Amino acid sequence: KAGVTQTPRYLIKTRGQQVTLSCSPISGHRSVSWYQQTPGQGLQFLFEYFSETQRNKGNFPGRFSGRQFSNSRSEMNVSTLELGDSALYLCASSPRQGGGSYNEQFFGPGTRLTVL
Amino acid sequence: AQKITQTQPGMFVQEKEAVTLDCTYDTSDQSYGLFWYKQPSSGEMIFLIYQGSYDEQNATEGRYSLNFQKARKSANLVISASQLGDSAMYFCAMILLSGYSTLTFGKGTMLLVSP
Repeated sequence: KAGVTQTPRYLIKTRGQQVTLSCSPISGHRSVSWYQQTPGQGLQFLFEYFSETQRNKGNFPGRFSGRQFSNSRSEMNVSTLELGDSALYLCASSPRQGGGSYNEQFFGPGTRLTVL
Repeated sequence: AQKITQTQPGMFVQEKEAVTLDCTYDTSDQSYGLFWYKQPSSGEMIFLIYQGSYDEQNATEGRYSLNFQKARKSANLVISASQLGDSAMYFCAMILLSGYSTLTFGKGTMLLVSP
């Protein structure tokens, strides 16, 4: 079974530009979550999608958005990039069977975004 | 709100020795899960071990075991017989089983294994 894939792996952008990152979950997984990792703030939750619906959102400005397609693939978009957006963006997929069940989270290799 | 605390920014251990990485958590929920992940310099988060709040026995996965003390709200990771390849960042994380698939992470512990 293929793991979680994220593209691109590395990205360099300049301030003010926008960027789109992609995540393909493990086949059959319907939940996709996004996390931002920076040296200062650590790992912070961005948002979670389940069956094309955003179910949960972290405390990030509206410049951060995402979506999920019918095949469970997810994209996140950051508009008007700032220097502080430089980070490793990690995507995780989960089989999520429902409340009370074991929710193993499988992570992709991440996209390392550098904003100049 | 949930909180994960890892008080050890860095740990050193010699090869073949055992090491314990500390993790305490805070939540008012009764139904939750605790994870440990390893993150090498490449960046990928590698799942190590999972413990559910209702699991009566401590979880074990090969050289990894989770010392779960529910009353103390601690979930320490024990790595037996450390190997050079164990050098990495280690993160403790929590998920609420009644909620969404959202992980709350600690700040991490950098483990360095020396020959």
